[in-house]
Amino acid sequence: GQNIDQPTEMTATEGAIVQINCTYQTSGFNGLFWYQQHAGEAPTFLSYNVLDGLEEKGRFSSFLSRSKGYSYLLLKELQMKDSASYLCAAFFKAAGNKLTFGGGTRVLVKP
Amino acid sequence: DAMVIQNPRYQVTQFGKPVTLSCSQTLNHNVMYWYQQKSSQAPKLLFHYYDKDFNNEADTPDNFQSRRPNTSFCFLDIRSPGLGDAAMYLCATSRGNLNTEAFFGQGTRLTVV
Repeated sequence: GQNIDQPTEMTATEGAIVQINCTYQTSGFNGLFWYQQHAGEAPTFLSYNVLDGLEEKGRFSSFLSRSKGYSYLLLKELQMKDSASYLCAAFFKAAGNKLTFGGGTRVLVKP
Repeated sequence: DAMVIQNPRYQVTQFGKPVTLSCSQTLNHNVMYWYQQKSSQAPKLLFHYYDKDFNNEADTPDNFQSRRPNTSFCFLDIRSPGLGDAAMYLCATSRGNLNTEAFFGQGTRLTVV
């Protein structure tokens, strides 16, 4: 299979920084996504990494190391509205790129 | 404007009564995915289409079927819904071999009574 692992839950304080790690099986790997999902809503796209390195987009950054099968999502200057689940998902080479999700990390931002 | 549209947003069906969920897209993407998401869990891939080629996940129950009559539409048929099939069903699309994001619809929340 294409095991994708991330922590179940994290808690942080408003204004702080939180880093969510994700590891995945490297065989057939073809790109990694981070999605944000609020309860009862569909996932929304945050970032995409296919090459090694850091992608920065405002308060959110995502890092990828293909050789290590590792990614992280960095959330800076946390706001209360950032309380949500963060899903790590990867494309694996199959007919049309099979998109598989990790278990999701629930982030709770406290005042 | 919504690019991946799922209808209905909420569906209530009776135990054992066949139900169909629909998904349409205006993106002309090759790949369409169906996911099942239960409360506090990550989306679980049921199957996906690359054009007309159907790819079923090994652990997807036979109770779940899919049809893709054309590029724009994809249907999820649940032949005999059980109480355990109550979930959010998410449709997503992507271009396939080109590495771009997957676009999600708003989901259909299915309740089985």
